[in-house]
Amino acid sequence: DQQVKQNSPSLSVQEGRISILNCDYTNSMFDYFLWYKKYPAEGPTFLISISSIKDKNEDGRFTVFLNKSAKHLSLHIVPSQPGDSAVYFCAASETSYGKLTFGQGTILTVHP
Amino acid sequence: NAGVTQTPKFQVLKTGQSMTLQCAQDMNHNSMYWYRQDPGMGLRLIYYSASEGTTDKGEVPNGYNVSRLNKREFSLRLESAAPSQTSVYFCASIRNGYQPQHFGDGTRLSIL
Repeated sequence: DQQVKQNSPSLSVQEGRISILNCDYTNSMFDYFLWYKKYPAEGPTFLISISSIKDKNEDGRFTVFLNKSAKHLSLHIVPSQPGDSAVYFCAASETSYGKLTFGQGTILTVHP
Repeated sequence: NAGVTQTPKFQVLKTGQSMTLQCAQDMNHNSMYWYRQDPGMGLRLIYYSASEGTTDKGEVPNGYNVSRLNKREFSLRLESAAPSQTSVYFCASIRNGYQPQHFGDGTRLSIL
């Protein structure tokens, strides 16, 4: 049972445009959500997070939106840059021990 | 500032051999985690240690054992390696709950 799903295996956008990555979850007990970025042969790097008491969090070019009623979150990258090309994972947590449940990942390619 | 260090980076084993993957963090974090990542799948939690002296099973613990040697170090052991354990293994740590996990760069393990 996949509790966190990223239904788009890949996304291709033009440099300067907006990239929107989506994530759905089924466990209503999740109350902390994160996005990680991963380059080949490296570990995941934390990008941005949001707690369930908020519906939006911004950090520079990155914004995460949370729709609790739809159990959906999204990551917006504006403007997209070629260096943003990577695999993006969403993750969710329901416990104070910090255990994360990850989605399958979306490969983002930003073309110059 | 090393962060989370994993050794070795690569390893090839034969079926039935044993192996210990090492992980150390220098951030004075309390909780540590072992994940595996397989193609087309997100990271899946194998075992975690919420604090020094405690360990608990994650989503996919079968075939693995762990040891929280001290606050810095958390090792993962394969007693009798199987081809299904071919994967990339990531170690992560956090100071306490509801903070982003910091990941190492992974150990790429192939079992023939």
